[in-house]
Amino acid sequence: EAGVTQFPSHSVIEKGQTVTLRCDPISGHDNLYWYRRVMGKEIKFLLHFVKESKQDESGMPNNRFLAERTGGTYSTLKVQPAELEDSGVYFCASSQVDGGLFIGTQYFGPGTRLLVL
Amino acid sequence: QKEVEQDPGPLSVPEGAIVSLNCTYSNSAFQYFMWYRQYSRKGPELLMYTYSSGNKEDGRFTAQVDKSSKYISLFIRDSQPSDSATYLCALSKAAGNKLTFGGGTRVLVKP
Repeated sequence: EAGVTQFPSHSVIEKGQTVTLRCDPISGHDNLYWYRRVMGKEIKFLLHFVKESKQDESGMPNNRFLAERTGGTYSTLKVQPAELEDSGVYFCASSQVDGGLFIGTQYFGPGTRLLVL
Repeated sequence: QKEVEQDPGPLSVPEGAIVSLNCTYSNSAFQYFMWYRQYSRKGPELLMYTYSSGNKEDGRFTAQVDKSSKYISLFIRDSQPSDSATYLCALSKAAGNKLTFGGGTRVLVKP
């Protein structure tokens, strides 16, 4: 079974440009999460989708960030316009309620490394 | 003040030693406690999870949670060079909710 995939793996853009990150969750996972790690800081939550609905977007830093999950499958995270402080690694994770002893194990993708110059 | 504190290390140990990692947290609402391992240029991988206080063992790994002290630990027995990675504690207030991470501890196991 394929894991969480993210595209691109790296992106270098200039301040003011737009970048769109994509996440494909594990097939059948209704929950999709975006996290970010900026240099020297801990991984921080951005938002959580349940299917196509935003369950929790309390971590979104500002309105330059727009996340979508049309059809409840893959998700995109757009940064427009990008600022220097947006540089970091953006992780996507997915999980499913499976009725087991522990629900909601989050499986992470490899991340997209974003550098804004 | 950060919600979850974790010593960044690096922690260097000889092969075969016990690795001891820990995190402290401030919010008593956290109910799920997880340890993730992250290799360079990879995403975090779940190692262990614990619900509420107590111990949990899985092979060479033991996770402990002391909710009264707001302190969680991970022990790795018989450490191997392949255990060299960054270890992240992650806490959640409910199953399926967002994770709150510590900063990670870099571990180096020397042959």
